[in-house]
Amino acid sequence: GDSVTQMEGPVTLSEEAFLTINCTYTATGYPSLFWYVQYPGEGLQLLLKATKADDKGSNKGFEATYRKETTSFHLEKGSVQVSDSAVYFCALKDNFNKFYFGSGTKLNVKP
Amino acid sequence: NAGVTQTPKFQVLKTGQSMTLQCAQDMNHEYMSWYRQDPGMGLRLIHYSVGAGITDQGEVPNGYNVSRSTTEDFPLRLLSAAPSQTSVYFCASSLQIPGLAGGGAGELFFGEGSRLTVL
Repeated sequence: GDSVTQMEGPVTLSEEAFLTINCTYTATGYPSLFWYVQYPGEGLQLLLKATKADDKGSNKGFEATYRKETTSFHLEKGSVQVSDSAVYFCALKDNFNKFYFGSGTKLNVKP
Repeated sequence: NAGVTQTPKFQVLKTGQSMTLQCAQDMNHEYMSWYRQDPGMGLRLIHYSVGAGITDQGEVPNGYNVSRSTTEDFPLRLLSAAPSQTSVYFCASSLQIPGLAGGGAGELFFGEGSRLTVL
């Protein structure tokens, strides 16, 4: 079945460091891919998305590119801030609109 | 805009008690779902619905019931609570776009969560 695998955390970075959170997926058909962010005590919010191969999703300085050849959707940000501290979830949506989530990666950014 | 509204936000139950977590959305979304979030396990799908009158099981359905009598509401029922059901529960909905490759870009919209403790 379809699935999403993302790197385990926590990831601890200093402010202004470069961030990469790896995400790979297994799917049949043509899934859509998403990154969600969960700030402490809140629900999940959509961060960015991509619906087809080679699409790049971007928002708030975060980027991820849908790579069909490597089945990946890695999240990147050039310079993280303390306010980016949160849990990040990679997810895919299959052709039946069913969502699959990764286990989440906690990011801690220190001043 | 209300979006997805969950109630209650916090609940403490004793083993064997029953309760219903309420979920309502005002976006006319056909697809609604319930997830539980446990430490180190990410989100696990409990039940989902693709429209009024249609429900199906997700990854961890045991101990939970759902119904979908209207497009707006999707309550989750615990008939006899167990300590293993201590968790944070999230309701989520999306605009279903059948027939499009990948289902279109309809992302999931989440409620703020309901923290349930079963003693």
